[in-house]
Amino acid sequence: GEDVEQSLFLSVREGDSSVINCTYTDSSSTYLYWYKQEPGAGLQLLSYIFSNMDMKQDQRLTVLLNKKDKHLSLRIADTQTGDSAIYFCAESTALNSGYALNFGKGTSLLVTP
Amino acid sequence: EAGVTQFPSHSVIEKGQTVTLRCDPISGHDNLYWYRRVMGKEIKFLLHFVKESKQDESGMPNNRFLAERTGGTYSTLKVQPAELEDSGVYFCASSQESTAVYSPLHFGNGTRLTVT
Repeated sequence: GEDVEQSLFLSVREGDSSVINCTYTDSSSTYLYWYKQEPGAGLQLLSYIFSNMDMKQDQRLTVLLNKKDKHLSLRIADTQTGDSAIYFCAESTALNSGYALNFGKGTSLLVTP
Repeated sequence: EAGVTQFPSHSVIEKGQTVTLRCDPISGHDNLYWYRRVMGKEIKFLLHFVKESKQDESGMPNNRFLAERTGGTYSTLKVQPAELEDSGVYFCASSQESTAVYSPLHFGNGTRLTVT
């Protein structure tokens, strides 16, 4: 399958902004997603963006998409200790098979006081 | 509304044994998916059910894996015989429609499978 790449670790101080980056290789990607996994829990959809959009904002979360560079980022403003989790980037192209999502390996975000 | 539930949460078995994982989707969700995350690697798609039919099983690794969804409700994923490389976290997800954006996947907490 196509590759989705993320850095594995990110550490930030409480109150700072976090930026998690992701690159993908499939130029036909239609939808891009950010999922969050807290310890012992499932995957929670944080945000998604159409490939024809550049930005999507929801409260403290901002998703930026640079389709030309195939680069997706998630910015968390005023990061809190409760934001510590693994963040997965994912993309999908297939509509007929629904959700053959391609995930990255996940970025572990550690928020320190 | 109850979420996607998976059982067991953790299973430890020996190589060569059989394990069956169960997933109960959200009530009314016709679409059910299995994904797997092997340690340190990406979460990989395994297969997709629409009701009781397999819509896409292109991600199933080999014929040691058998997924069923009789009656279109809960699903089971059997691994027989289990091998060491089958260790990982198996996630189940469900959704109402087949278009990700309009009906996002709801994931369960996963089953952590350890094959020794």
